[in-house]
Amino acid sequence: GEDVEQSLFLSVREGDSSVINCTYTDSSSTYLYWYKQEPGAGLQLLTYIFSNMDMKQDQRLTVLLNKKDKHLSLRIADTQTGDSAIYFCAENLWIRYIFGTGTRLKVLA
Amino acid sequence: EAGVVQSPRYKIIEKKQPVAFWCNPISGHNTLYWYRQNLGQGPELLIRYENEEAVDDSQLPKDRFSAERLKGVDSTLKIQPAELGDSAVYLCASSLTQGANSYNEQFFGPGTRLTVL
Repeated sequence: GEDVEQSLFLSVREGDSSVINCTYTDSSSTYLYWYKQEPGAGLQLLTYIFSNMDMKQDQRLTVLLNKKDKHLSLRIADTQTGDSAIYFCAENLWIRYIFGTGTRLKVLA
Repeated sequence: EAGVVQSPRYKIIEKKQPVAFWCNPISGHNTLYWYRQNLGQGPELLIRYENEEAVDDSQLPKDRFSAERLKGVDSTLKIQPAELGDSAVYLCASSLTQGANSYNEQFFGPGTRLTVL
């Protein structure tokens, strides 16, 4: 079945690291994505990882993929107030995207 | 380069009225998607077009929803008649699709927020 799950909320202090977790069910996904959505805006692609990779680092962002457990995580180093948003993970199944429920990240000054 | 354009940004209608949303994808993108995003949830695919052809409309409630993509560019999504449960944000996205196993980044528009009273 198609189901992507995320925790609903995360609150961190400015300067700390944030870790947002995601579990998915379909192991045939070739790419997994992290999107960011700010209030009143559409989704913006942050980063993605190919399914044969374990880790991808892109500046302050680190993506970890555990295919055995079907677990994906996004780590944001040195979290800033501008990182406050909703973060969605997504898997692609033959071009069709399945999005998670989203994690609302709140960064406290 | 302009991103995905959607209009209107906001729409308030009474139930049983019709409503239409318009999307202009990024120039050259062959694939266009319509999603519905309910409050507090992730986007759910309604329909996907490859050029003019609707290739995935399994999630589209066909009794009241319709969509078209004439000439494989702009697209409209229509609801007739609207129901209270249709209140949501309707997102349009486009991508340059190069195969099922290729990296196909979707670019999203800002969405249309529909409120049905």
